[in-house]
Amino acid sequence: RKEVEQDPGPFNVPEGATVAFNCTYSNSASQSFFWYRQDCRKEPKLLMSVYSSGNEDGRFTAQLNRASQYISLLIRDSKLSDSATYLCVVNRGLNYGGSQGNLIFGKGTKLSVKP
Amino acid sequence: GAGVSQSPSNKVTEKGKDVELRCDPISGHTALYWYRQSLGQGLEFLIYFQGNSAPDKSGLPSDRFSAERTGGSVSTLTIQRTQQEDSAVYLCASSSNPTDTQYFGPGTRLTVL
Repeated sequence: RKEVEQDPGPFNVPEGATVAFNCTYSNSASQSFFWYRQDCRKEPKLLMSVYSSGNEDGRFTAQLNRASQYISLLIRDSKLSDSATYLCVVNRGLNYGGSQGNLIFGKGTKLSVKP
Repeated sequence: GAGVSQSPSNKVTEKGKDVELRCDPISGHTALYWYRQSLGQGLEFLIYFQGNSAPDKSGLPSDRFSAERTGGSVSTLTIQRTQQEDSAVYLCASSSNPTDTQYFGPGTRLTVL
């Protein structure tokens, strides 16, 4: 199983739609979770952290299911400007003192919102 | 405050030449990362610096790649004898600690002709 897995998409949705992405991770010791957004030909930028109880930021809702080791991102009322690639990011666990820093980036899910 | 900066933003070079890419992390960030991203692909980890510890070089694709971080701040990534397959966007990120959010620079787009 890959450390972080995401459906690459693309997800093509009309404006105003609700869309959800899932991400699974393999390390049960992981404790920090994030969603990043990457626009075409731009650098990744933090969208939101994911907390154990779930959290919401405007139209965006993030959920964490530790038992099943997956994270989700829900986008309501999609806008054209939401078109981007969404990266799931997981840390390796606080006791991990080894390589590759401590964050693992998924390959991303591409979202395209159409008028 | 100032974010992560990288220079140059674009670099076109001929096969076989050496190139040097620069990254200025956010002030005070002890962790610095280099990644590579080819068109339409995910992030490929290259190297990681944490404070004064020895860097983790496990992601460097060949011995033509090297990086250093001077004074715990600015980092340079050097690619010797560039090949066409080295063409990609090279991204630098920094964070206040290894478990925290990483903030990315705008990247250097390298094209090897």
